[in-house]
Amino acid sequence: EPEVTQTPSHQVTQMGQEVILRCVPISNHLYFYWYRQILGQKVEFLVSFYNNEISEKSEIFDDQFSVERPDGSNFTLKIRSTKLEDSAMYFCASTSTETQYFGPGTRLLVL
Amino acid sequence: SQELEQSPQSLIVQEGKNLTINCTSSKTLYGLYWYKQKYGEGLIFLMMLQKGGEEKSHEKITAKLDEKKQQSSLHITASQPSHAGIYLCGADRGYSSASKIIFGSGTRLSIRP
Repeated sequence: EPEVTQTPSHQVTQMGQEVILRCVPISNHLYFYWYRQILGQKVEFLVSFYNNEISEKSEIFDDQFSVERPDGSNFTLKIRSTKLEDSAMYFCASTSTETQYFGPGTRLLVL
Repeated sequence: SQELEQSPQSLIVQEGKNLTINCTSSKTLYGLYWYKQKYGEGLIFLMMLQKGGEEKSHEKITAKLDEKKQQSSLHITASQPSHAGIYLCGADRGYSSASKIIFGSGTRLSIRP
């Protein structure tokens, strides 16, 4: 069964460093998303992406964040200068119509 | 903005017993999703409901959406250890296929052998 994959599964970085989180959505899906979940808190929407542009972004998705679909398969989330509060689980999701399928997540720890 | 309240926050159930988790919205729901999350892992899609009064089942899990489309329940029959995890309800606005999902806080389910 097709699934969303994410790499790396875990990432530890120093505050101020740039990180890139990678996702491979399900192949025939057209809509892509990033969500995050700070430990013990709700899953929060960050950004949605369709037709090579951002469809919607939340207040969390400030200038430090960017998304890209560099080729036909990968979907990336870049955090330019990480802060301590960026420590969270980051989930990628994709859909073709309505149901969003989530990846296993990347656990980011900013020290 | 839409808020989703889940109850209970946590639940410990004896294996073999039935249980119900509720999700209540402050606004009429367009699409209501149920996901399961194992601790520290990804979200596994369970079911999506759209129509008032709709009910769907998969194995021993049944989800219902009320007629007013503001409340959903997830019912597990004859619970098993494999049912343990965090159950999340989520809702979208239905404006487009790219609509974000707003999630509830989750219900943490433990199954006692």
